[in-house]
Amino acid sequence: GAVVSQHPSWVICKSGTSVKIECRSLDFQATTMFWYRQFPKQSLMLMATSNEGSKATYEQGVEKDKFLINHASLTLSTLTVTSAHPEDSSFYICSAPPRDRGKGEQFFGPGTRLTVL
Amino acid sequence: GEDVEQSLFLSVREGDSSVINCTYTDSSSTYLYWYKQEPGAGLQLLTYIFSNMDMKQDQRLTVLLNKKDKHLSLRIADTQTGDSAIYFCAESMSGFGNEKLTFGTGTRLTIIP
Repeated sequence: GAVVSQHPSWVICKSGTSVKIECRSLDFQATTMFWYRQFPKQSLMLMATSNEGSKATYEQGVEKDKFLINHASLTLSTLTVTSAHPEDSSFYICSAPPRDRGKGEQFFGPGTRLTVL
Repeated sequence: GEDVEQSLFLSVREGDSSVINCTYTDSSSTYLYWYKQEPGAGLQLLTYIFSNMDMKQDQRLTVLLNKKDKHLSLRIADTQTGDSAIYFCAESMSGFGNEKLTFGTGTRLTIIP
């Protein structure tokens, strides 16, 4: 089956530093990847849609300069949380729909837990 | 805008059936999904249903869709301890995987021994 990985699985950083999270589709190509944020005991909120070869599309209320997204290839998207603050602490999950699938299935990464001190 | 609602908690005895409910507001939803999230993990797609269907069965899972009432349910037969998780319903417009998913609030299923 299709596998999506995320790295790192967890990260602790100091306030003011930047953190990069990688999302990789291991055995399929994805022209689009989605980045979600999940607060404890809450649902997933879509942050942005990452598009290979073009700019990401951000959801309303998400600061594009704060959350930098780069979709460098058909198998890799990165989310960089710039100048992280404690309120950015969250569980970040990416998903990717295989390019050749038609039934709407998306495969989710295992998530990255970010803690900002 | 889209809104997807679920009850937050459900407790079921082992061996009984679990029924998790979901309501949505967007009548143009094309695909409706059920995802399972175990603690500290990502989401696993359990099943999905196309909006022109009213029922889909897959082993222990049965999905019922009432499009008129915009109500979706997931029934898990013979609930086991391994079914303990948070279950999210989600909807999308086209279902071709490039449309964003709108998730419900999630239902935490607890199994009572």
